[in-house]
Amino acid sequence: AQSVTQLDSHVSVSEGTPVLLRCNYSSSYSPSLFWYVQHPNKGLQLLLKYTSAATLVKGINGFEAEFKKSETSFHLTKPSAHMSDAAEYFCVVTSLYSSASKIIFGSGTRLSIRP
Amino acid sequence: DTGVSQDPRHKITKRGQNVTFRCDPISEHNRLYWYRQTLGQGPEFLTYFQNEAQLEKSRLLSDRFSAERPKGSFSTLEIQRTEQGDSAMYLCASSPENEQFFGPGTRLTVL
Repeated sequence: AQSVTQLDSHVSVSEGTPVLLRCNYSSSYSPSLFWYVQHPNKGLQLLLKYTSAATLVKGINGFEAEFKKSETSFHLTKPSAHMSDAAEYFCVVTSLYSSASKIIFGSGTRLSIRP
Repeated sequence: DTGVSQDPRHKITKRGQNVTFRCDPISEHNRLYWYRQTLGQGPEFLTYFQNEAQLEKSRLLSDRFSAERPKGSFSTLEIQRTEQGDSAMYLCASSPENEQFFGPGTRLTVL
């Protein structure tokens, strides 16, 4: 079985400070993990993905995530937040060996940026 | 724009009416997915096509819902006899493999 838990429903940081959005997963198979961002009234955009290559994955807009198998985590980080980062972020787990219905989205983390 | 497009972007309907949404995927993608997203939640899987074949359907997809992809290109999602609980954002995504590209969604409001 696969599941994903986003540990914070809302994170608020000041502009220029680091961002940490937490995601834990469980998967019966080797997981593929993704982070998507959703700005208001816009479609989901892929930030980065892990598919069994390097455990530290770099994405767009300065985001990166580290796959930690021992902790079953895939936390999203950014060294310095920008106002334009304010959005909803979704962690997604699936597997190359899973069916389409096993693409599981977390419930989302809303990121707010304080000026 | 060569991304995934959805039409309409917004739909307001009265309970009991039928509605149909369209999704145009990225042209070379053979996989197409429909999701439903309600406020404060992540997208929930509804159904999946590989080319024209509908390979998977979620238990969320009641018999009032039907989806087609007749020529393996665009897809339609129809909801018959809409209910207020159907109000949600309906998202379409296409994929060459396991990375999905999402459309902007169709927001359905059932009065």
